[in-house]
Amino acid sequence: KAGVTQTPRYLIKTRGQQVTLSCSPISGHRSVSWYQQTPGQGLQFLFEYFSETQRNKGNFPGRFSGRQFSNSRSEMNVSTLELGDSALYLCASSLYGLADLYQETQYFGPGTRLLVL
Amino acid sequence: GIQVEQSPPDLILQEGANSTLRCNFSDSVNNLQWFHQNPWGQLINLFYIPSGTKQNGRLSATTVATERYSLLYISSSQTTDSGVYFCAVERAGTASKLTFGTGTRLQVTL
Repeated sequence: KAGVTQTPRYLIKTRGQQVTLSCSPISGHRSVSWYQQTPGQGLQFLFEYFSETQRNKGNFPGRFSGRQFSNSRSEMNVSTLELGDSALYLCASSLYGLADLYQETQYFGPGTRLLVL
Repeated sequence: GIQVEQSPPDLILQEGANSTLRCNFSDSVNNLQWFHQNPWGQLINLFYIPSGTKQNGRLSATTVATERYSLLYISSSQTTDSGVYFCAVERAGTASKLTFGTGTRLQVTL
């Protein structure tokens, strides 16, 4: 099986612009989660989607949004970029996103490095 | 929210040495994973281990859920083991929301 893929791998934007990142989960996986990694804050949960619905959300401003398509692919969007949005954005997938019931592992993609100038 | 603490924050070893990395967490969890982040940023899943003991080659992990800690053992370390090791947990009822520790940065030297 192919792993989680993310595009683009690298991105440079300027303040005020918006950006869209894409994530394709492992085939058959229906849960997609997004994380932001920065040197100062570490790895932080952004949101999780399952069956095209946002099921869980972290503590990020409304400028960060996402969606999931019927084929489980997901996109996240950041509007009005700020310098502090420079980070590695990681996507993870799992079958159902319910470790309570299914003892699932999350598998991560290679990430998208975003630099905001 | 749940707190995850990892120790030590930094570790320098000579090739061939053994090491133990620790992860303490503040609440009951239904998911605990250990990851290795390579220099390119890829998080590689090492273990899914909410409880019990597992081994995979030179790596093994033990989670004592009742005492809220997990240990990752690296034996006969190699330079390719260098990188950052993260422990991540998921609290019951929080679908796919992993909370990560701050990591242990491991450097293995010749």
